[in-house]
Amino acid sequence: EIVMTQSPATLSVSPGERATLFCRASQSVSSDLAWYQQKPGQAPRLLIYGASTRATGIPARFSGSGSGTEFTLTISSLQSEDFSVYYCQQYNHWPPGTFGGGTKVEIK
Amino acid sequence: KLVESGGGLAQPGGSLRLSCAASGPTFRNHAMTWVRQPPGKGLEWVSAISNGGGSTYYADSVKGRFTISRDDSKNTLYLQMNSLRVEDTAVYYCATDSPICTLWGQGTLVTVSS
Repeated sequence: EIVMTQSPATLSVSPGERATLFCRASQSVSSDLAWYQQKPGQAPRLLIYGASTRATGIPARFSGSGSGTEFTLTISSLQSEDFSVYYCQQYNHWPPGTFGGGTKVEIK
Repeated sequence: KLVESGGGLAQPGGSLRLSCAASGPTFRNHAMTWVRQPPGKGLEWVSAISNGGGSTYYADSVKGRFTISRDDSKNTLYLQMNSLRVEDTAVYYCATDSPICTLWGQGTLVTVSS
């Protein structure tokens, strides 16, 4: 089974600053990688799929990149509503659709 | 919109059936997924079903105990959970599509405890 590792576990960022989150796969998943955002007490929301394609309604400040085993989610200028937990998920070796452990983006 | 129900307290070895009601006329066109989240922890993919219901998929941790199904006439997805274990305690989310989870419900809490 593919193992997805996210880093860092917690990222402290000031509003308006750039945030960079990382996701690593234990073996290549090509570009079959999605990113989700989860706010406290809420369900996750799809942000990115295909490693770099924004889902419907997702602001342009969110961008994804990478392929193979190394992926990045970048939030170009953090807004107050962006402080959340972010999960990556691979779907190349599916099932299962393995999730990473998450990165919490908190206010610095 | 997706609305889950059926969660609650169950004893180890017991059973529960979760439902996920979908609004809109296109439910039958979508594969569907269940994902769970233990309290304070991350997401775990549980099960998926194809549009039409002809293919089903399970995580190893639930295989043989959980059964996913759908009733397109009722716009409803189900998860029958048998032989429940303490480690099945989690919020269970349904989501449209598979393998990418496009739209999520608000979740229903399942607690397995004696």
